[in-house]
Amino acid sequence: NAGVTQTPKFQVLKTGQSMTLQCAQDMNHEYMSWYRQDPGMGLRLIHYSVGAGITDQGEVPNGYNVSRSTTEDFPLRLLSAAPSQTSVYFCASSYSSRPTEAFFGQGTRLTVV
Amino acid sequence: DAKTTQPPSMDCAEGRAANLPCNHSTISGNEYVYWYRQIHSQGPQYIIHGLKNNETNEMASLIITEDRKSSTLILPHATLRDTAVYYCIVRATSYDKVIFGPGTSLSVIP
Repeated sequence: NAGVTQTPKFQVLKTGQSMTLQCAQDMNHEYMSWYRQDPGMGLRLIHYSVGAGITDQGEVPNGYNVSRSTTEDFPLRLLSAAPSQTSVYFCASSYSSRPTEAFFGQGTRLTVV
Repeated sequence: DAKTTQPPSMDCAEGRAANLPCNHSTISGNEYVYWYRQIHSQGPQYIIHGLKNNETNEMASLIITEDRKSSTLILPHATLRDTAVYYCIVRATSYDKVIFGPGTSLSVIP
């Protein structure tokens, strides 16, 4: 049971480049979400999804796109990277219908230069 | 906005109990209290959750007041490895988004 898998673990981008952060879970969880964490700060919600085909904005959605075509995958797209998007990104998944814990990936450390 | 408030930091002597408070005065009847912790820059780790009864597992105990407006996470014998940021959140078994507050930075001191 792999849990929540994020790839890549590290990435350096140039300003204006695009990329996709991958997140996959094998627990058949309905709910998936993306957070960013800046140095010394807490987790801020970017986007979330309550099931395949359904996504919604979180606290800091600007500059990011998401889609949820399958239950397992929830990729996060940066269309035109900016230095302000330098951060650690965490993906999480959980059930929506049961009071159980959320599982987090180990994070993607992104630097935009 | 986060639905909980926590002290920004706390210290605890190694081997003593660490009691971390959380205020959730606007909690709804169907919302559970969850605790997570984040060690250094790792992904957050689940600790425990509860609805209205006190809960205990191998990691910690959760005490929820009778009016459910506050709770306390208890680490019975804190070790240096318990130094982390602890997050208290409330969440219903629904399709609502999950917002984290800034948490409490716990330092366990030798």
